[in-house]
Amino acid sequence: EVKLQQSGDELVRPGASVKMSCKASGYTFTDYAMHWVKQSPGQGLEWIGTIIPLIDTTSYNQKFKGKATLTADKSSNTAYMELSRLTSEDSAVYYCASSPFDYWGQGVMVTVSS
Amino acid sequence: DVVLTQTPPTLSATIGQSVSISCRSSQSLLHSNGNTYLNWLLQRPGQPPQLLIYLVSRLESGVPNRFSGSGSGTDFTLKISGVEAEDLGVYYCVQSTHAPTFGAGTKLELK
Repeated sequence: EVKLQQSGDELVRPGASVKMSCKASGYTFTDYAMHWVKQSPGQGLEWIGTIIPLIDTTSYNQKFKGKATLTADKSSNTAYMELSRLTSEDSAVYYCASSPFDYWGQGVMVTVSS
Repeated sequence: DVVLTQTPPTLSATIGQSVSISCRSSQSLLHSNGNTYLNWLLQRPGQPPQLLIYLVSRLESGVPNRFSGSGSGTDFTLKISGVEAEDLGVYYCVQSTHAPTFGAGTKLELK
């Protein structure tokens, strides 16, 4: 069974950074790209970026360049996303999804508040 | 960026009614390899999205066959032949022929 297990919800201060994880199981991690998607409260889905674990190549939505950094650890089948210089606009649920958006993690709710 | 325009934004249906959702792209979604990377997702309240249809018309394993997808180029449709209560939620189209983009969503609710 394919599963993407994401790390827990986060409460972070404005200006801080947060790093979340997405552990894949049930398939060969390096066979598929991993997407990250943002969903702001009551809003739709927004692509942040994609990492290809096999070759450690990333691509980003221009909007998230400088905000999000995607990495992957092939030894643990885990993808990571770090968000920096957080503001209230970054409060959202963040999902990982294997390509082609077939399997999704349960989401990480990030709340930016002092 | 490729813009996906979904219509209608809201759909009211009775159980058993057939409905369709349109997804129009600002650019052709036909990839140079011959595939068209247009998927349909359903997000139920409080849940992550789930894949219903991939490559325009291929039904994801375990998805009921009342769901069907069609279209080509820039014009795509999701049809539900006989809505059931479990189908309520927000439907999104998503393309990955180009840098991925999502439609704004169509909320399916009970009339």
